[in-house]
Formats: sequence, structure tokens, C-alpha cells
Amino acid sequence: QQQVKQSPQSLIVQKGGISIINCAYENTAFDYFPWYQQFPGKGPALLIAIRPDVSEKKEGRFTISFNKSAKQFSLHIMDSQPGDSATYFCAAPDSGYALNFGKGTSLLVTP
Amino acid sequence: DGGITQSPKYLFRKEGQNVTLSCEQNLNHDAMYWYRQDPGQGLRLIYYSQIVNDFQKGDIAEGYSVSREKKESFPLTVTSAQKNPTAFYLCASSLGGTNSYEQYFGPGTRLTVT
Repeated sequence: QQQVKQSPQSLIVQKGGISIINCAYENTAFDYFPWYQQFPGKGPALLIAIRPDVSEKKEGRFTISFNKSAKQFSLHIMDSQPGDSATYFCAAPDSGYALNFGKGTSLLVTP
Repeated sequence: DGGITQSPKYLFRKEGQNVTLSCEQNLNHDAMYWYRQDPGQGLRLIYYSQIVNDFQKGDIAEGYSVSREKKESFPLTVTSAQKNPTAFYLCASSLGGTNSYEQYFGPGTRLTVT
């Protein structure tokens, strides 16, 4: 089982600021890297994902940046809003058609 | 509405009892998964199934069992052999094959064993 290391564990950002969460992986059998958003008591929701034939993918205020040589990828949330307050998980594929998840980042956006 | 349903939302059991968690999907997905979530631990894979009547153990399969008799259904049984069963259990599904990694999750079942 490969390790997926996610940082920081928690993050506090003011409204309108940029939230940045980082992940590093060891190896991957397939190039697909998703981010999930989870609100308390709910299941994770697929937020954005990248297939790294590109180094960056943007959807609205959410951007994934990918560095294949460094085996790192990050989530940027621009113009962070209080409604973005949630736990975010990154993931990387393993060799058996499953995902290995980071331990999560708890984001709080203050008004 | 298409999606994944898990029932019940909350489940309470006494120690030593087996309990079965339900997961149903109407997305026509081939692959289904069970994860366990504990505070600060992320999501850990229990079992997964790529096709009907076939499933594989994940990283923490001990004390759990599954079946996959129908494409739409992937129930998880938490047995009395599971030493720390209290957790939030999440079911997910995907198209399977090289599209296995685009997984969609259900709302979860919170199991409390006392």
C-alpha cells in the first residue's frame, strides 16, 4: 500500500483568501488524482480531479496543480468562502483499482 | 434520481453481534467499494468488487465480510471478530476498469458498538 501524505492537517483562512492543500504520493499505477470535499456527517463528494497529461486543471475557484517529477499535487481554493469550510481529501490510485487517501485537511474559512 | 444509498444512517449494536450495512446504487456502475473512516485517519479500504460474484480484500478486511450477488448491491457485514467496529462506513461506486478511480460515495452509515 502506498502512502499518500497530505498537509496541512488543518488550515484557517480568511474569507477571500487562498487556501492551499498539498499531497505527495510514492508511486501510482495510473495517472488520476482526485480531490474530495466532505462536510460533517456526509459522504465525500468528488470535487475536482486531474489526469496529468496537463500540469494544471481549473474548475471555477478550484485548481489542481500537478508536479509529476516531484510526485506532488496540490489544491488551490481561490477567493475562499465560509461555505468552503469542510474536510478535503486527496487520493492516488493503487495497483488494484482502488484509491489510497490522504488523512484529510480540515479547512475553516472565517468571515 | 441516480445515486448511492446507504442504510441505515445510524446503527447501534451490542458487542458480539454481527451487523450488516446496506449499499445500493442505480448508477449502473460495475465497481463498488467499502471504506472505513475514523477521526484523523482518512478513508481506509475494506473490500472492493469489480464485477458481480467477485471481490477483493482491501487494507483492513479482517473482521468484515461482503457479498456481490447483484450489480446494484454490495452489503458489508461487520462481524464480532472486528475488534474496533465503531466507525463511519462509506460505500462508493465507479464505472470500473481504468475508470475505477473516479469514485462516487454514498452518505455513510455511522455504526456504534457498545
